[in-house]
Amino acid sequence: SQQGEEDPQALSIQEGENATMNCSYKTSINNLQWYRQNSGRGLVHLILIRSNEREKHSGRLRVTLDTSKKSSSLLITASRAADTASYFCATVPTGTASKLTFGTGTRLQVTL
Amino acid sequence: SAVISQKPSRDICQRGTSLTIQCQVDSQVTMMFWYRQQPGQSLTLIATANQGSEATYESGFVIDKFPISRPNLTFSTLTVSNMSPEDSSIYLCSVGTGGETQYFGPGTRLLVL
Repeated sequence: SQQGEEDPQALSIQEGENATMNCSYKTSINNLQWYRQNSGRGLVHLILIRSNEREKHSGRLRVTLDTSKKSSSLLITASRAADTASYFCATVPTGTASKLTFGTGTRLQVTL
Repeated sequence: SAVISQKPSRDICQRGTSLTIQCQVDSQVTMMFWYRQQPGQSLTLIATANQGSEATYESGFVIDKFPISRPNLTFSTLTVSNMSPEDSSIYLCSVGTGGETQYFGPGTRLLVL
C-alpha cells in the first residue's frame, strides 16, 4: 500500500501566490523526497530532506520535515504558470535500500 | 544525473497480448526500478531489476505477469503479459546512481482494449 497521503489532492492558485502541499507518512524513514510530474510524463526530482534535517531550501522551494508527526510540507513561493504539475512526496523507509514509496500526489494548477 | 529513454512511448494493445517495454540509460547504474502509474493515481513499485539475477518483485506483482530482464548495467526490459484493460497505465523505469535520488524515464503510456 502507499506510504504517504498528500493534501490537498488538488490546488488552484494564481500566478505569484504561494502553494503549500502537505505529506504524511506511516513508518520511520531515511529520507523524504519531492518529485514533480508534468502531464503524466516522467518524474523530476525536486529536493531531498534527510530524517535528521528539519528544513531545506532550493530556489523557490522550501521543504520542512517533522519526524515526530511523520509529516512534511513543500512550499513553492511566487508560483508561475510553469509550476502547473502534479507533486509527489516519496519516502525511503528505514532499511529498504533506496526503494521509494510514493504519496498520493497533489495536482497544482497555477493560472495567470 | 542520468538520461533515461523508454520505448515505446505509447502503445495501444489488444487484450491477451503482451508488450515489452525497453529502458536504456546513458551510463552504468547499480539500481533500476519499474513502476506502474494507473490513471489518475500515484506510482507503485513493481520490481527492482537486478543485473545478472532475477528481479525482486513487490507484493502483488509476479514474474509470470511482469517478467523483467536486465542483461547489463545500462538496459532493462519489462514485459506486460496476457494484458487486460486493467493493465492500462503508464509504466516508468527509474535508476538510482548510488545516491538516494532516482531519475525517471519519460514513461510508456499503455492502453489495452
